Amino acid sequence: GAVVSQHPSRVICKSGTSVKIECRSLDFQATTMFWYRQFPKKSLMLMATSNEGSKATYEQGVEKDKFLINHASLTLSTLTVTSAHPEDSSFYICSARARGQGAEQYFGPGTRLTVT
Amino acid sequence: GENVEQHPSTLSVQEGDSAVIKCTYSDSASNYFPWYKQELGKGPQLIIDIRSNVGEKKDQRIAVTLNKTAKHFSLHITETQPEDSAVYFCAAAPNEKLTFGTGTRLTIIP
Repeated sequence: GAVVSQHPSRVICKSGTSVKIECRSLDFQATTMFWYRQFPKKSLMLMATSNEGSKATYEQGVEKDKFLINHASLTLSTLTVTSAHPEDSSFYICSARARGQGAEQYFGPGTRLTVT
Repeated sequence: GENVEQHPSTLSVQEGDSAVIKCTYSDSASNYFPWYKQELGKGPQLIIDIRSNVGEKKDQRIAVTLNKTAKHFSLHITETQPEDSAVYFCAAAPNEKLTFGTGTRLTIIP
C-alpha cells in the first residue's frame, strides 16, 4: 500500500514553454500533497504544500506564478512549470500524506525536467 | 524553523560491517523522524521512522535511535550488503512538513 506515482518520469521541453507534472496517490486518499525540488547531489527542498480543494502554500522564495499547483482531488495534484527556462531543469518529486497519518509522507518516483 | 544536520556526507563500509549515520535537529517540537533511502534517479523510499515517544526502533538489519534531550537521532545498518549502497536522508518534522538533512552517500565495498 501507500503508492504514489508521477507522470511523466522524464520530460524535455523548449525554453519558454510550459510543462505539467502529475502526482497520484494510487491506493489511498491524500489530503495533503507536497512538491519538492532536488538538484544533483543535493537534498530535497520543499517548494509547496497543497491541500485538496484549497490553494497551495508556497515556501519562501518559490514563485507561485511560475510553479502552479492544483490539488484537484484526493488522489491527484499537478505541478505546472510555466515559461520554463534552463535554470528550472531539476528533479521534481511529490509526496502525499493520508488523513490521520501525522507527518508520514509517501514519495513518488520523481520527474526529471530538462529545459533546452 | 527546523534545521537538520547530517553526518557524515560520505561513508564507505566493508560488506558485512555496520554503518552509522547521525543527525541533529534544532526544533524541540519535532516529534517525527523518518529515514529515507534514495537510489540514483529515483524518489526517496521510507526505510524506518521513529516518533518522539520511543527511544529505539528496529526492523531486521536497520535500527534507529532517538535522544530527545540531546536532539539527535541515528540510523544503524548492520551486516551491510551491496544493495545498501545509496544516499540516505534523515528528516525531522515539528508539524506536517519534513525538513531534510543533507544526505549521506553510503558505499558498500564488496
